[in-house]
Amino acid sequence: SQQGEEDPQALSIQEGENATMNCSYKTSINNLQWYRQNSGRGLVHLILIRSNEREKHSGRLRVTLDTSKKSSSLLITASRAADTASYFCATVNYNQGGKLIFGQGTELSVKP
Amino acid sequence: DTEVTQTPKHLVMGMTNKKSLKCEQHMGHRAMYWYKQKAKKPPELMFVYSYEKLSINESVPSRFSPECPNSSLLNLHLHALQPEDSALYLCASSQGRGQGNTEAFFGQGTRLTVV
Repeated sequence: SQQGEEDPQALSIQEGENATMNCSYKTSINNLQWYRQNSGRGLVHLILIRSNEREKHSGRLRVTLDTSKKSSSLLITASRAADTASYFCATVNYNQGGKLIFGQGTELSVKP
Repeated sequence: DTEVTQTPKHLVMGMTNKKSLKCEQHMGHRAMYWYKQKAKKPPELMFVYSYEKLSINESVPSRFSPECPNSSLLNLHLHALQPEDSALYLCASSQGRGQGNTEAFFGQGTRLTVV
C-alpha cells in the first residue's frame, strides 16, 4: 500500500535553477525520509526529518515538514545535470512496524 | 563498508525454474528488507527481517520465499513465477529493530525477467 502522493510527477528545469518537489501523506508519521534513484538503480538516502522537526538542511537540500497539513517539500538549490533522477518521499509510522512507505515519486530532469 | 550487495544483477528465468536472489551487508545492521519495484512506480515492501526473524510479510504470494541465514545475508527464493513478477527487486538494510528510525541502505537491485 502506498502512502504518499508527490507532485509534480515530472519536473524539467535548467541547470542552476532550483527544483521543488512536494509530498503529501495520509496517516500520522514518526519521520519522513527522501530518497533518490538513478535510472532504475538502488535508492540513496538523502535526508530524514522527524515529526517534531519543521525544517532540515543538508548541503544543497532543504526539507520542510508540516504535520498539520501532512505534507513535506524537498528543495534542491542550484541544480546540476547530475541531479537528474527520481526522487521519492517515504513515511514511517512505528505503529506499522516502522516500515518505509514510499510516495509515487517525482522524475526530475536537469538540462545542461 | 556502507554497501548492500545484491547478486545477480540481472536474471532471466522461465516460469518453471527455481532461482534465488542474494543480498549481503556488513554494516552490522539487524533489519533487512526485500522490495519489489515495477517501472515508473515506487518500491513496494515485500518482507522485513528483524534480528534474523521474519517480522513483516506484506501478503506476498508463496512463490516468493525469503530466508535470512544470518545477520549479514538475506535470500529470496523464487519458484513458479509469473511474467507479471518481472521487476527490479531491491534489498535494503538498516540499524536496529525494524526500520524507520534511521536511514535504509539499498542495494543496486536484481532486474528479474520471467519468460
